[in-house]
Amino acid sequence: DTGVSQDPRHKITKRGQNVTFRCDPISEHNRLYWYRQTLGQGPEFLTYFQNEAQLEKSRLLSDRFSAERPKGSFSTLEIQRTEQGDSAMYLCASSPGRTLNYGYTFGSGTRLTVV
Amino acid sequence: AQSVTQLGSHVSVSEGALVLLRCNYSSSVPPYLFWYVQYPNQGLQLLLKYTSAATLVKGINGFEAEFKKSETSFHLTKPSAHMSDAAEYFCAVSRDNFGNEKLTFGTGTRLTIIP
Repeated sequence: DTGVSQDPRHKITKRGQNVTFRCDPISEHNRLYWYRQTLGQGPEFLTYFQNEAQLEKSRLLSDRFSAERPKGSFSTLEIQRTEQGDSAMYLCASSPGRTLNYGYTFGSGTRLTVV
Repeated sequence: AQSVTQLGSHVSVSEGALVLLRCNYSSSVPPYLFWYVQYPNQGLQLLLKYTSAATLVKGINGFEAEFKKSETSFHLTKPSAHMSDAAEYFCAVSRDNFGNEKLTFGTGTRLTIIP
């Protein structure tokens, strides 16, 4: 199966530690998105890549957050100095082109718990 | 700015009964509307999308939705509920800007099926 893969599925970390998540999109999908979903809420947009270029970042993405997509393939999302408010499900999605034509394919997410 | 409102955070229906999940949108430009389903500990799966073609949209698993501009609504229906329909459902809106077609999600409706 060549769906969107996210690693790890679950991460528990102590407050103040750094964490990094990985997303492998469907191959040849040039668009990659990160969303954050907190309990009882819908996903919220964090950032977007077109190939290797990060084209937009939400105001939700504080300076403790950084995302990369080297070579336009996999992407990583790093959170530095984690806070309890960072506890959430982090979802990655990819698309081969216009969302209106293809929609997104979401991964299963990485659930982060900051203790 | 675009937004969606999902009326009813929890909906319960009997197996075999009609499913109706409500979504109202707000958009200053012609909207593009989506319904996604999320099963526990999984990512989101696209059910259907409206992109300014037919106002009655058919999706997977027997779901359909009707775009009503006069009511700014995009309600999701299914004639006969199955136990496997139990999940969380999200309505989302986007706009066609040929670039970052990020989705703005509602807060979700949890559907419970009563045997």
